[in-house]
Amino acid sequence: EPEVTQTPSHQVTQMGQEVILRCVPISNHLYFYWYRQILGQKVEFLVSFYNNEISEKSEIFDDQFSVERPDGSNFTLKIRSTKLEDSAMYFCASRGEWADTQYFGPGTRLTVL
Amino acid sequence: AQSVSQHNHHVILSEAASLELGCNYSYGGTVNLFWYVQYPGQHLQLLLKYFSGDPLVKGIKGFEAEFIKSKFSFNLRKPSVQWSDTAEYFCAVSSIKAAGNKLTFGGGTRVLVKP
Repeated sequence: EPEVTQTPSHQVTQMGQEVILRCVPISNHLYFYWYRQILGQKVEFLVSFYNNEISEKSEIFDDQFSVERPDGSNFTLKIRSTKLEDSAMYFCASRGEWADTQYFGPGTRLTVL
Repeated sequence: AQSVSQHNHHVILSEAASLELGCNYSYGGTVNLFWYVQYPGQHLQLLLKYFSGDPLVKGIKGFEAEFIKSKFSFNLRKPSVQWSDTAEYFCAVSSIKAAGNKLTFGGGTRVLVKP
């Protein structure tokens, strides 16, 4: 069964550094998402992406964040200058054009020191 | 704005006991409703979903959920749990009108099933 994959599984970085989290959505999916979950808190929506542009973003998704689909398979989340409060599990998800179910990747645990 | 609340943060029960997890949402329009499960060390997986039609939906692994529109609820049930149902369960909603169909999650309920 096809699945969403994410790399790395765990990323440790210093405050102020840039990080790029990578996702490979399911191959025929067209909608892509990033969510995050800070330890002990809810899973929160960050951004949705369709047709090479952002379709919706949350208040969390400020100028420090960007997303890109650099090729036909990867979907990346970049944090330009990480803060301590960016430490969280980041989940990528994707869905097909005529479906309403999002399929999630295993997550990347980001630790900002 | 959408919001989702799950009534219990932690539930501990024995095998063969019945399970019911509460979920209420707040949104003025039509929504799609989901229950996701996250087993230890694994990613979020869809248990079941409701879009329209019969308000009682059946999912995988013997789970079912009932949508009660008047109560804005979508409670998850399983008549007899197994040790392997130990996991965290998340209720989520999406608006059918939102451009990207983002999911709004509840806080999750950790379920521990004792053998």
